[in-house]
Amino acid sequence: EVQLVESGGGLVQPGRSLKLSCAASGFTFSDYYMAWVRQAPTKGLEWVASISYDGGSTYYRDSVKGRFTISRDNAKSSLYLQMDSLRSEDTATYYCTVGVLYWGQGVMVTVSS
Amino acid sequence: DIQMTQSPASLSASLGETVSIECLASEDIYNNLAWYQQKPGKSPQLLIYYASSLQDGVPSRFSGSGSGTQYSLKINSLESEDAATYFCLQDSEYPYTFGAGTKLELK
Repeated sequence: EVQLVESGGGLVQPGRSLKLSCAASGFTFSDYYMAWVRQAPTKGLEWVASISYDGGSTYYRDSVKGRFTISRDNAKSSLYLQMDSLRSEDTATYYCTVGVLYWGQGVMVTVSS
Repeated sequence: DIQMTQSPASLSASLGETVSIECLASEDIYNNLAWYQQKPGKSPQLLIYYASSLQDGVPSRFSGSGSGTQYSLKINSLESEDAATYFCLQDSEYPYTFGAGTKLELK
């Protein structure tokens, strides 16, 4: 059974940093592109970033480019999202996804002073 | 960026009815279209991928069709558990983009 468990969320002030982690199990992690998708409260879904099998290629939405960094550790079957210079508009539930197939339960990030 | 226009925004139907939800892409997405179901407080669950392929474990009353820029999700014989919000996603090119969602209510 595929399991994705996100952690690292919380309340953070604007301009500060936060790092999200996703522990994956139940599939061969290195065989899949991974991604982060977010959903602001009562809003729709927004793709944030994706990373290739070995981490050699990364892709970001324009609004997070230069502030967020997606990375992975295949030996640990883990995905990460380093979020710097956080803004109020980054407030959302962040989901770790296996391509488009499977989603974690999500972790809440609130950016507020 | 590819824009995904999803319709209708909301839908009310009775048990046993059949409903359809549409997604229109601003350019050809070559069947790279997925459909999700999301219930309140839960993460989205994949129903359909590559426009018409049914994800394992998803009831056969769900089906997807379409090509080019026009895609649809059909739900036959509605059951009470189908009350949810449905989203489409294009994964043809980055940035991936979602439809705004369709909230399905059961009468």
